[in-house]
Amino acid sequence: GAVVSQHPSWVICKSGTSVKIECRSLDFQATTMFWYRQFPKQSLMLMATSNEGSKATYEQGVEKDKFLINHASLTLSTLTVTSAHPEDSSFYICSARDVRGIEYSNQPQHFGDGTRLSIL
Amino acid sequence: EDKVVQSPLSLVVHEGDTVTLNCSYEVTNFRSLLWYKQEKKAPTFLFMLTSSGIEKKSGRLSSILDKKELFSILNITATQTGDSAVYLCAVEGYGNNDMRFGAGTRLTVKP
Repeated sequence: GAVVSQHPSWVICKSGTSVKIECRSLDFQATTMFWYRQFPKQSLMLMATSNEGSKATYEQGVEKDKFLINHASLTLSTLTVTSAHPEDSSFYICSARDVRGIEYSNQPQHFGDGTRLSIL
Repeated sequence: EDKVVQSPLSLVVHEGDTVTLNCSYEVTNFRSLLWYKQEKKAPTFLFMLTSSGIEKKSGRLSSILDKKELFSILNITATQTGDSAVYLCAVEGYGNNDMRFGAGTRLTVKP
């Protein structure tokens, strides 16, 4: 089945550092990927929709300049948290859906394993 | 605005018990409702529901959707400690491609 790989799984770094998180679709092409953030004991909140070859669409309240998204190929989207601060510490998860040749409404989204980001 | 409300927020049961988790929703141009199980990492897919009244079943888990009353339930029979997790409900609407999640139900199954 469809597999989404996310890397790294855990990052600890100092305040002010920029951190890049990769999301790859391993056995399918994803023109669209999604980035979520989850704080402890809270649900997943959509941050942005990553579109291959075009600009990402950000949800209200998410800073575009802080959370840079690049979707340069059909199998890779990256999220860069720029100048990270302790309040950016969270669990970041990406997802994608395999829409090749199939009515996409019948296919669920699949998640990467997530990246736990801790900013000291 | 799309909204997903899950209840209860937390639930503690003993092994062997049957549980029912609830999810009500409001979404523009409903397309599907999904259930996920989340343990320590990212959510894993359980069910995708698009039609009313058709039960989906996988082992001890089952789910059904009521598009008239705008809710879904997830049933787990003969619960085991390995069922302890957060169960997330999400909805998708036509016109967008993303999911909106509920707050989740934290299920704890005690031996």
